[in-house]
Amino acid sequence: DSGVTQTPKHLITATGQRVTLRCSPRSGDLSVYWYQQSLDQGLQFLIQYYNGEERAKGNILERFSAQQFPDLHSELNLSSLELGDSALYFCASSASGPLTSTEAFFGQGTRLTVV
Amino acid sequence: AQSVAQPEDQVNVAEGNPLTVKCTYSVSGNPYLFWYVQYPNRGLQFLLKYITGDNLVKGSYGFEAEFNKSQTSFHLKKPSALVSDSALYFCAVLVIETGANNLFFGTGTRLTVIP
Repeated sequence: DSGVTQTPKHLITATGQRVTLRCSPRSGDLSVYWYQQSLDQGLQFLIQYYNGEERAKGNILERFSAQQFPDLHSELNLSSLELGDSALYFCASSASGPLTSTEAFFGQGTRLTVV
Repeated sequence: AQSVAQPEDQVNVAEGNPLTVKCTYSVSGNPYLFWYVQYPNRGLQFLLKYITGDNLVKGSYGFEAEFNKSQTSFHLKKPSALVSDSALYFCAVLVIETGANNLFFGTGTRLTVIP
């Protein structure tokens, strides 16, 4: 058990809908990363938060947004869903802040299926 | 631009034989390199990391990796493969910039150990 909790584990929804994925980082970790893993594109970095602030953005669509709350849990919001958004979404946390180099710990992911 | 490459999508090795999973990187500044493993329907698990010091890094489950600065490589190795090592392996590089850490992953290499 990595200590990172993601809910829900599975999500099936229709095109055009909006969903929220939730991540609770390991106790004490300030950094949260979101990744998308699809069959044909590997692991794509979406966005990173550190202590409530957005710190880095990757290949995140404008239809997607995220936030990190004062208790450090994070949510990834996906709207106007398309079939191509079907993927495994991972959250990771680390103690890393600027100028540190600790490893990230991953949750088990949320499998999103858009039908 | 910072990047990490895994040139092989698939590696097959017989049980008991040594295995190598290749990774090369491109970063400005000092590289912080990681290997992760993903078993079916699971999140990524940290295997090992290179931050500084000895070029040969030992990690979990008998894996090790060799950092080679001149060849910008960080290949994952194990002297004797087990069937249970069959999984998806990801190399990653941590880029530390002002105000943010960003973890970039390679596209993954699927290792199959043949009994």
